[in-house]
Amino acid sequence: AQSVTQLDSQVPVFEEAPVELRCNYSSSVSVYLFWYVQYPNQGLQLLLKYLSGSTLVKGINGFEAEFNKSQTSFHLRKPSVHISDTAEYFCAVSDRDRDDKIIFGKGTRLHILP
Amino acid sequence: GAGVSQTPSNKVTEKGKYVELRCDPISGHTALYWYRQSLGQGPEFLIYFQGTGAADDSGLPNDRFFAVRPEGSVSTLKIQRTERGDSAVYLCASSLTSLAGDSTDTQYFGPGTRLTVL
Repeated sequence: AQSVTQLDSQVPVFEEAPVELRCNYSSSVSVYLFWYVQYPNQGLQLLLKYLSGSTLVKGINGFEAEFNKSQTSFHLRKPSVHISDTAEYFCAVSDRDRDDKIIFGKGTRLHILP
Repeated sequence: GAGVSQTPSNKVTEKGKYVELRCDPISGHTALYWYRQSLGQGPEFLIYFQGTGAADDSGLPNDRFFAVRPEGSVSTLKIQRTERGDSAVYLCASSLTSLAGDSTDTQYFGPGTRLTVL
């Protein structure tokens, strides 16, 4: 079975500062990895996903994440955040060989400080 | 184009009542998923359909929960004898296809139905 740990429930960051949201996963099988974002009063939206190939994945809105197999991590980064990035961010994993459920972490709330 | 839609957006019911939550997936998407998101938690998988059949219902918490997708498009999640602990946002997602060994299609999520059981 897979599981996802998001170490920080909330991350406050000043506007235009860089941010890293941490994610670690555990799995006995090969996985796909995802970051989803949930803006206030909106549905979940895919930011980026790692399927295979390059371990550095670029997503929408200037976000990127790096897959580190040895550390079982998939941390999300952005070099300069904006007020509009205020949202809940969810790291998630799925089994490469079975396309059914996505296992989500508990989420990290990103607070952008003016 | 139209995304995944869910109705109602909000549902308030009393303990012990029966509720139905509806999901309209993106047209042409064969795979449909239901998740439940409790306050302060990430979405939790409930059930997955490939076409009309439930391919994986391992996430349904108990036999009070049931879901159908009779024509391979719209799906209904049914909850009998609701309990206060069922209060959550119920999310539906769909993806274009879902084949073993080809798990690359993005799941697109609807806005959710907020269920409150009093």
